[in-house]
Parts: sequence; structure tokens; C-alpha cells
Amino acid sequence: NAGVTQTPKFQVLKTGQSMTLQCAQDMNHNSMYWYRQDPGMGLRLIYYSASEGTTDKGEVPNGYNVSRLNKREFSLRLESAAPSQTSVYFCASSVSLGGTGNEQFFGPGTRLTVL
Amino acid sequence: DQQVKQNSPSLSVQEGRISILNCDYTNSMFDYFLWYKKYPAEGPTFLISISSIKDKNEDGRFTVFLNKSAKHLSLHIVPSQPGDSAVYFCAASALRGAGSYQLTFGKGTKLSVIP
Repeated sequence: NAGVTQTPKFQVLKTGQSMTLQCAQDMNHNSMYWYRQDPGMGLRLIYYSASEGTTDKGEVPNGYNVSRLNKREFSLRLESAAPSQTSVYFCASSVSLGGTGNEQFFGPGTRLTVL
Repeated sequence: DQQVKQNSPSLSVQEGRISILNCDYTNSMFDYFLWYKKYPAEGPTFLISISSIKDKNEDGRFTVFLNKSAKHLSLHIVPSQPGDSAVYFCAASALRGAGSYQLTFGKGTKLSVIP
């Protein structure tokens, strides 16, 4: 039981390049999330997916797109990377949104640098 | 506008003593509160949570207290152990109608437990 896995662990991009961060969970969770964490900041929600087939914007969605490919997988895409997107990205999953089902399990993170 | 505030960036405590981490929030719509622990280069791990209808929740050495009138919660760790040294994030969620969802993290408090 791997929990939440993320690939890649590290990535360096040049400004304007695109890439997709992959996330998968094997806990049969309904809800999945993408966060970014910057130095001195808490985690900020980029996008979330309440259940398979739905996605919604979080606090900082600009410059990102997401795809909930199936119940297990939730990807984050940067279409045209900018230096302001240099950050550590975390994927998480939970049984459901809100309440007692909202305890989220996090992946190990992807450290992204945009030059 | 920070809706979840952890005003102490760091805290040092002697091993065996009590650690008290504080969190304040401004949004009265928050109805569920969570604490996460994060070690360097790892994803956050869920620690303990509390619903807004309760004022205390206990799990082993960890107790969370909620004071709704003051919009304040605290995490108590007794006794503190060196392995508790980590960054602790307070988070608050609100699940509104039509699946609208908000989850906000504080900026974290770095706890150092001194042997």
C-alpha cells in the first residue's frame, strides 16, 4: 500500500516550457488535491477534485490546469512555466471533502525550479 | 488576508515538557480544523482534528482545544519528545453548498524539542 505517490521528485524547467506533475493514490479515496508550498508560506490549494469527473479551483489556480484521469490519478499541468511557479508541489487525497472524511494524506512532493 | 494565522514561527521546548502551538482564524464559516506535522523533504502527515461542535479532542499525547468564541485553537503535546521536532500546520475547512469547499492552512510553527 503505497499511499500517495508523485512523479517526478525533482524538475528543472526553463521559462515557457510545459510539464505535467503526476499523482496517484491507492486508498480508494474520492477527493484529491494539489497544493504548492513556498518558503515562509503555508500550503496553498491550487485545484481540487471532489470526486472522479469533477475539478474546482482553489486559492491559487492561475497558470495551472488539472485532470482527474480516473479515481486514482490526478495530474497538474503547467502550460507555460514561469519563475513564480518555482515551488514544492504536494498532491493529497481524502475520503471526502469536509468534515471527518477530510483528513488528507499527502505525497512526498515535487520540487520544481523554473529558470 | 490571512484567514488562518499561526503567529509563532518557532517554538523551543525541553524534552518531557508540554508544547503548546496556537492558531487563530477569522472566518466563522470554518467548521472543521486539522493539525498536520511536516518533516523536511516529506509531505505533511495528519495529526489530529476537531469539529466546530466540540471543544476538545484527544489522541494519545496530542490534544486539540477549540475556543469558537475567540476563534482560537491550540495543540498540546505532552510530554514532548525529540521526534516531535517538525513544522506544525494548522488548517481549517468549510464545506459549503453545491460542493463548494475551502481549505486554508496557516504558515506553520517550527517546533524544536531539546533533549
